[in-house]
Amino acid sequence: ETGVTQSPTHLIKTRGQQVTLRCSSQSGHNTVSWYQQALGQGPQFIFQYYREEENGRGNFPPRFSGLQFPNYSSELNVNALELDDSALYLCASSGTNKKTTEQYFGPGTRLTVT
Amino acid sequence: AQSVTQLDSQVPVFEEAPVELRCNYSSSVSVYLFWYVQYPNQGLQLLLKYLSGSTLVKGINGFEAEFNKSQTSFHLRKHSVHISDTAEYFCAVSELGGGSNYKLTFGKGTLLTVNP
Repeated sequence: ETGVTQSPTHLIKTRGQQVTLRCSSQSGHNTVSWYQQALGQGPQFIFQYYREEENGRGNFPPRFSGLQFPNYSSELNVNALELDDSALYLCASSGTNKKTTEQYFGPGTRLTVT
Repeated sequence: AQSVTQLDSQVPVFEEAPVELRCNYSSSVSVYLFWYVQYPNQGLQLLLKYLSGSTLVKGINGFEAEFNKSQTSFHLRKHSVHISDTAEYFCAVSELGGGSNYKLTFGKGTLLTVNP
C-alpha cells in the first residue's frame, strides 16, 4: 500500500506567477484535502475534493483552485502568487466514503514566493 | 465555527520525564478530536483520535489523551518521553455534520523539545 505522495518537494516562484502542486492519494482513497501551513502556524484548510467534486472550501480567495482526477490524484493551482503564499502545502487523503474520520498526510510541498 | 487553542507554544522537558501538552477547543456542535505529530521536514502523522466512547484515548508511541467535554479540553500526555519525541505537536478538531465533511481545524502547534 503506497502512502500519500506530493510533488515537487520544493518550489521557488516569483510574485505574480502561477503554480501547480500535485498529490497522489493513498490507494483506495477518494477524498483529498489541501492545507496551507505558514511558518510557525498550524495547517489551514483550503478545500476538499470528493469523487472529483469540490466538497467544501476554507477562507481562501478564488485564485486558489483545485482538481481531482478519476484516479483520485489531485492538483492545487495558485494564480497571481503573493509573498504571503509562501508556505508548506499539505495534501491529505481519506477513506472510501464522505464520513471517514482519518486523514493521511503527504510530506508536503515547500513553496517560496520571492 | 470551531477553533483550537494550544496553550503552550514550546515545552522543554528532560528525557524520561512526563509531559502534558494542552489543547482547548471551541465549537457549537459535537466534534471529533485529533493529535498529530510533525517531525522536521515531514508531513503530519496521526498520534490518536477521539470519536466517541471512553474519554481516555491511547495512541502510538506511548501517547494518550483525555477528552473533557465540560472543560472543552483534549490534553496529550506521555509518562516518560524520549529524545526521539522531539517534534511539533498539533491538536485538531473536526465538526460533525459540517459542510466540509471532516475538514480539520488545527491549533498553532506545540514544539516539544526533549533534552538529555
